Amino acid sequence: SQTIHQWPATLVQPVGSPLSLECTVEGTSNPNLYWYRQAAGRGLQLLFYSVGIGQISSEVPQNLSASRPQDRQFILSSKKLLLSDSGFYLCAWRSNRRSYEQYFGPGTRLTVT
Amino acid sequence: GDSVTQMEGPVTLSEEACLTINCTYTATGYPSLFWYVQYPGEGLQLLLKATKADDKGSNKGFEATYRKETTSFHLEKGSVQVSDSAVYFCARLNTGFQKLVFGTGTRLLVSP
Repeated sequence: SQTIHQWPATLVQPVGSPLSLECTVEGTSNPNLYWYRQAAGRGLQLLFYSVGIGQISSEVPQNLSASRPQDRQFILSSKKLLLSDSGFYLCAWRSNRRSYEQYFGPGTRLTVT
Repeated sequence: GDSVTQMEGPVTLSEEACLTINCTYTATGYPSLFWYVQYPGEGLQLLLKATKADDKGSNKGFEATYRKETTSFHLEKGSVQVSDSAVYFCARLNTGFQKLVFGTGTRLLVSP
């Protein structure tokens, strides 16, 4: 069966520090991968998605970036965090076959101080 | 463009009450539709889905019917439990088939 992992689970970082969040998927190959952010009490905002290694689509211009160095690894990064980057970050995957539902990881709660 | 509109929350119910959470979508194409549930501090879980008009998705006592004529996909449950307290998200597949478009979420609070 497929599983998705995210780490760390929680993170507290000062303003201006770098960020690296990692997401890995097991039990599937060539998935579509997604990064979402959920601000406190708010809905989901799609940040990036990837349909293959090295292929990244950005949905919202901001100081975050994403990379996909391996088929089942998706990384969210920032060189300098802002207070507004605080939130709950969710990674999701979807099979590349004709099955459109996405499956979400447990999330990373980021607090920028 | 593609969008989903959900009713504002929170929805507050007593245990065993009936639940309806409204969801409508923009009628571009014939998108697959989904309901996701998010329990406190967790990621989203797929609750149910429907892929074509008149399909009914169901799971854990929840149901939703794909209504093309009203572009709606309302979530219903006949008798809610305290453990159903969570945030519920309606979503549709976008016309490019690559991503889901989510509603803003509806918080459900069920009291004993």
